[in-house]
Parts: sequence; C-alpha cells; structure tokens
Amino acid sequence: NAGVTQTPKFQVLKTGQSMTLQCAQDMNHNSMYWYRQDPGMGLRLIYYSASEGTTDKGEVPNGYNVSRLNKREFSLRLESAAPSQTSVYFCASSEEAGGSTDTQYFGPGTRLTVL
Amino acid sequence: GQQLNQSPQSMFIQEGEDVSMNCTSSSIFNTWLWYKQDPGEGPVLLIALYKAGELTSNGRLTAQFGTTRKDSFLNISASIPSDVGIYFCAVRLSGTYKYIFGTGTRLKVLA
Repeated sequence: NAGVTQTPKFQVLKTGQSMTLQCAQDMNHNSMYWYRQDPGMGLRLIYYSASEGTTDKGEVPNGYNVSRLNKREFSLRLESAAPSQTSVYFCASSEEAGGSTDTQYFGPGTRLTVL
Repeated sequence: GQQLNQSPQSMFIQEGEDVSMNCTSSSIFNTWLWYKQDPGEGPVLLIALYKAGELTSNGRLTAQFGTTRKDSFLNISASIPSDVGIYFCAVRLSGTYKYIFGTGTRLKVLA
C-alpha cells in the first residue's frame, strides 16, 4: 500500500514552460486535493476534487488547471510557469470530502523551481 | 481571506520539557485539526476536534477545541527528539470541502 504518490519529486522550469504534476492514491479515496506550501505561509489549497468527475477551485487557483483522470489520479498542470509558482506542491486524498472523517493523507511533495 | 494565526512561530526546547502552542481565528469554525510535518515530508494528521470544549489525547499529545470555537490548543508532554517538525492547525470551512491551514509552529528539541 503506497498511499499517495507524487511525480516528479523535483523539477526546475524556465518561465513560460508548461508541466504537469502527477498524483495517484491507492486507498480507494473519493476526494483529492492539491496544495502549495511557501515558506512561512502554511499550505494553501489550489484545487480539489470532491469525487470522481468533479473539480473545484480552492484559495489560489490562478495559473493552474487540474484533471481528475479517474478515481486514483488527480493531476495539476501549469500552462505557463512563472517564478511566483516556485513552491512545494502537495497532493492529498481523503475518504470523503466533508464526511465523518477529515483525515487527509498527503504525498511526499514535488519541489518546483521556476527560473 | 480567512486566516489562522499560530503562535509561537518557532520554539527551541530541551528534551523532556512540555510544549504548548495555539491557533486562533477571527471566525468560528466547527472542525479543528492538528497536523505534524517532518522535514521533507507531507503533513500527517495528529488530532481532529469536532465539539467546542472537547479535549482529545493521542499519546503524549493533547489538543483542545476552544469554547468560543475561534481557537484551539496543542500540548506535547515530555518532548523527545522525534517531536521535531512543523505543527499546523487547520479548519474546514463549514458547508464546503475546503480546508485552511495555519502558518505553522516550528519545534526544535535539544537533546
């Protein structure tokens, strides 16, 4: 049972380049989330998917798009990377968004630098 | 937007000491969560609180949901070196599936 996996672990992009961050979970969870973590700012929600086939904006969605490919996978795309998107990106999953348990399981993170 | 303020921002303590930290908000929330993040890892849920005034323990950790529903506290007793990390509080926005995280308390334990 791998839990939540993220690829790549590290990435360096030039301004204007695009890339997709991949996330997969093997816990049969319904809900998945993307956060970014900047120094001194805690985690901020970018997008979430309450269930397969649905996605919704979080606190900081500008500059990002997401795809809930199937129940297991939730990807985050940067169409035209900017230095302000330099951050550590975490994917998380939970059994049911807003259900009886609020436990989110986080992946190990992707460290992205945009030059 | 809504903010959660955590204090202290960082603390250095001796092994064996007790630790207290808190999280406050200007808004009322019905769900308070405490996470720990080890260096280079994603956060892990420690304790979830759902009722004002509730006191919940998990081993050496004890968390309380403030009676005003605008704050929460986390205590760690008899700290050990593996307690090192960043502790985050988080809340769920009522009626949504969105979570807000605090800015974190960075804990360092001196052996």
